[in-house]
Amino acid sequence: QQQVKQSPQSLIVQKGGISIINCAYENTAFDYFPWYQQFPGKGPALLIAIRPDVSEKKEGRFTISFNKSAKQFSLHIMDSQPGDSATYFCAASHASGGSYIPTFGRGTSLIVHP
Amino acid sequence: DAGVTQSPTHLIKTRGQHVTLRCSPISGHKSVSWYQQVLGQGPQFIFQYYEKEERGRGNFPDRFSARQFPNYSSELNVNALLLGDSALYLCASSLGLAGGSYEQYFGPGTRLTVT
Repeated sequence: QQQVKQSPQSLIVQKGGISIINCAYENTAFDYFPWYQQFPGKGPALLIAIRPDVSEKKEGRFTISFNKSAKQFSLHIMDSQPGDSATYFCAASHASGGSYIPTFGRGTSLIVHP
Repeated sequence: DAGVTQSPTHLIKTRGQHVTLRCSPISGHKSVSWYQQVLGQGPQFIFQYYEKEERGRGNFPDRFSARQFPNYSSELNVNALLLGDSALYLCASSLGLAGGSYEQYFGPGTRLTVT
């Protein structure tokens, strides 16, 4: 059972455009929602994260929008740059046995054309 | 400061063999987690250790085992390798397990190919 559904699978954007990646979850116990960026040959790197007590969080060009009632959250990359070309993963987790263990989406391959 | 390091970088094994993967966490981090990432998919959780104790286990067969040492480094062992074990194995470390110490930092991974 896929608990976190991510879309689209791939995305092509022109430089300067807005990239939008969406995720939906099923488990209402999830209370921590991070986004990771992964370049080829590298491990995932935490980009930005949100908790359900806020509807939006912005860090530089990256914004997470969170809709608790719809059980959806999305990543917006403003003014997309070729250097943003990477695979992006959303994840969701909740405290279980005193620790957070994330469930990842399948990833979105983003290509930003110059 | 050094990030999470993993060894080896790449590994080729034959079906039925055993493999040991190693991970050194960021200095000061006491928790290590292991993930399997199959090509085209997100990381799947395998194990989590904190202060040398197993604190979480994912849905993987008993062929997979791990341990954490007093210096907080960790090993992931896989016995009786199957073709389907071919994947990128990621290690992540964090200060702790929850709250502000939860943020995980990933290593570059070990690419395992089973032939």
